Amino acid sequence: AQKVTQAQTEISVVEKEDVTLDCVYETRDTTYYLFWYKQPPSGELVFLIRRNSFDEQNEISGRYSWNFQKSTSSFNFTITASQVVDSAVYFCALSEGFQFYFGTGTSLTVIP
Amino acid sequence: DVKVTQSSRYLVKRTGEKVFLECVQDMDHENMFWYRQDPGLGLRLIYFSYDVKMKEKGDIPEGYSVSREKKERFSLILESASTNQTSMYLCASSPTLGNTIYFGEGSWLTVV
Repeated sequence: AQKVTQAQTEISVVEKEDVTLDCVYETRDTTYYLFWYKQPPSGELVFLIRRNSFDEQNEISGRYSWNFQKSTSSFNFTITASQVVDSAVYFCALSEGFQFYFGTGTSLTVIP
Repeated sequence: DVKVTQSSRYLVKRTGEKVFLECVQDMDHENMFWYRQDPGLGLRLIYFSYDVKMKEKGDIPEGYSVSREKKERFSLILESASTNQTSMYLCASSPTLGNTIYFGEGSWLTVV
């Protein structure tokens, strides 16, 4: 079974629309970390955020926000007022103990 | 800022050639990783190293070997390249296992 599921393979939005990328994870550990990474066309995976399992506060950073809900094992990522530069593949990831698991990614295209 | 540098961005090699992919990190991280990324398959761990001269197999080690003679450097070796090893290779490092992983820019390898 997948540890991290990103059900949305590809999403297209028009510039300035809001978009939410879904991430569902599976773990039996009580202590774990969740991550989001961005991979632009250039290829490098850029770290965006890390949350630990004890901190369910939503986080906002500029146009980016993250919603962590342990009750539904989800860690969703919302981009507000999307821009063309947001076009990329976004990966959700889970670490438990020494293991690190990535989802298969969601490809976001923002159309001007 | 963490910097992970991969020596080659684009390589074209012939079947049967020995290929070296080099990676250097400048943050004194204990752990280094090699991932392979293919469309539809996400990121797959090839090998990781938690200390100098130490290595552990990941999910897909077949056809690959690694070398870590110095803490900052982690090399991926394809002993005899094959066309099914055409892929994007990502090097990464982290301070501790399970912690945030920082990636290099990626190396696009084509085996013809």
